[in-house]
Amino acid sequence: EVQLVETGGDLIQSGGSLRLSCAASGFTVSTNYMTWVRQAPGKGLQWVSVIYSGGTTSYADSVQGRFIISRDTSKNTLDLQMNSLRVEDTAMYYCARVRYCGADCSPPVWYFDHWGRGTLVTVSS
Amino acid sequence: QLVLTQSPSVSASLGASVKLTCTLSSGHSTYAIAWHQQQPEKGPRFLMKLNNDGRHTKGDGIPDRFSGSSSGAERYLTISSLQSEDEADYYCQTWSTDIRVFGGGTKLTVL
Repeated sequence: EVQLVETGGDLIQSGGSLRLSCAASGFTVSTNYMTWVRQAPGKGLQWVSVIYSGGTTSYADSVQGRFIISRDTSKNTLDLQMNSLRVEDTAMYYCARVRYCGADCSPPVWYFDHWGRGTLVTVSS
Repeated sequence: QLVLTQSPSVSASLGASVKLTCTLSSGHSTYAIAWHQQQPEKGPRFLMKLNNDGRHTKGDGIPDRFSGSSSGAERYLTISSLQSEDEADYYCQTWSTDIRVFGGGTKLTVL
C-alpha cells in the first residue's frame, strides 16, 4: 500500500528556515517523480516544486531561489528545504507522487495519484 | 495559457446525483485531467484520471458511485447516491510540459 507521511511543519518567524520531510512506503521515491503542493488557509491548491526521477528539479516562481527539493534514497524520503521564509509561505504542505499518462493521453500529461496528509507551516511576522 | 475553470460551489441532496464540471481553456480541449477530493481538514485524495474521450482510471478504493466523462473542453465528475461524506472540495488538475495547474475547486454541499 502506498503511503506518504509529511513531517517538519512548525511556527517560524519570517526570514527563518525549515525543512520538511515526506516518508514514503509502498514504492521507491527515487524512481518516481515527486512533488510538493501547498494550500494557504482557506485557499486552493498551489504547486510548489518537483523532483524528476533523474534528479532534475523545478520550482514555482514564488519559491524559486528560496526552496530546495531533494530526496534521500537510503531513507526513501522526499525533502523540502525552505529558506528566507515569508508570511505568504504560510500553508499546509503536501507531498504527492506523480504519474505519467503518455501513449494514452494526447498531449501527454502528468497527474498526482497519491497524497500525504500534510504538514502545517506558519510564518509569523 | 492552460487554465482550468470550476464553479465555486454546488449543492445536492442526500441520495441524489451531482455532476461537477472542469473546463479547459481554449486550445487545450484534448488534455486529460485528474480529479481530486479534499474532505474537511484532510489532505487531497486522487479520484481519477480522465481522458478527453471519457475513459477514466480511478484511484485505489474509489467507489463505483464516482465516474467521469468528457465532452469537448469539459471534464465531468459525476457522483451518484450522494452520501454525507461526499461533502468536500473537488479539484481538477493537469500538468503538461512546464505548465502545472489546478482548478479553483468546487465546494460540494450535501443537503
